[in-house]
Amino acid sequence: AQSVAQPEDQVNVAEGNPLTVKCTYSVSGNPYLFWYVQYPNRGLQFLLKYITGDNLVKGSYGFEAEFNKSQTSFHLKKPSALVSDSALYFCAVRDMNSGYSTLTFGKGTMLLVSP
Amino acid sequence: NAGVMQNPRHLVRRRGQEARLRCSPMKGHSHVYWYRQLPEEGLKFMVYLQKENIIDESGMPKERFSAEFPKEGPSILRIQQVVRGDSAAYFCASSAMNTEAFFGQGTRLTVV
Repeated sequence: AQSVAQPEDQVNVAEGNPLTVKCTYSVSGNPYLFWYVQYPNRGLQFLLKYITGDNLVKGSYGFEAEFNKSQTSFHLKKPSALVSDSALYFCAVRDMNSGYSTLTFGKGTMLLVSP
Repeated sequence: NAGVMQNPRHLVRRRGQEARLRCSPMKGHSHVYWYRQLPEEGLKFMVYLQKENIIDESGMPKERFSAEFPKEGPSILRIQQVVRGDSAAYFCASSAMNTEAFFGQGTRLTVV
């Protein structure tokens, strides 16, 4: 079975400071990894993905994520946070080696960026 | 290319009624996923479907819930004899094979 852990329910950061939202995963095969963002009363928006290649993946709105196979982590980062980044962030994993594989989400981390 | 379309956006049902939630995937996507989101509980997987096939329904409650994705038309999530505990936001997502999934805006079901 595959799983995702987001150990922090909430992350607080001041505008202009760097931010990190943590994610670790567990799959039996090789992972596809994703980050999504959800604004209030909206659906999830795709931010970025890791499939293969460079461990540092760049995505929308200045976000990036680093894949670390040895630590089974895929932390989301941004060098300088904006108040408008405040939202709920979800990490997700799919097993690349499974022909039919569900996309499994973490429970989400609320990011609050203060002015 | 329209995104994933869910309707209705809001649905109110009385206890014991049936709720039907519809999802039209993005053009070219043959994989559909349904998730339920409750406050403070994150996103819970319910069912994964391909055209005319249920691939994984491990997250579906054993009773009252069913899903289909017919050859023609939208995917339907059906909840029979709704109870207050079914009140939640239900999200549909679609993808091509092994690609990122794109989400609809969700259907917010309220059972009164």
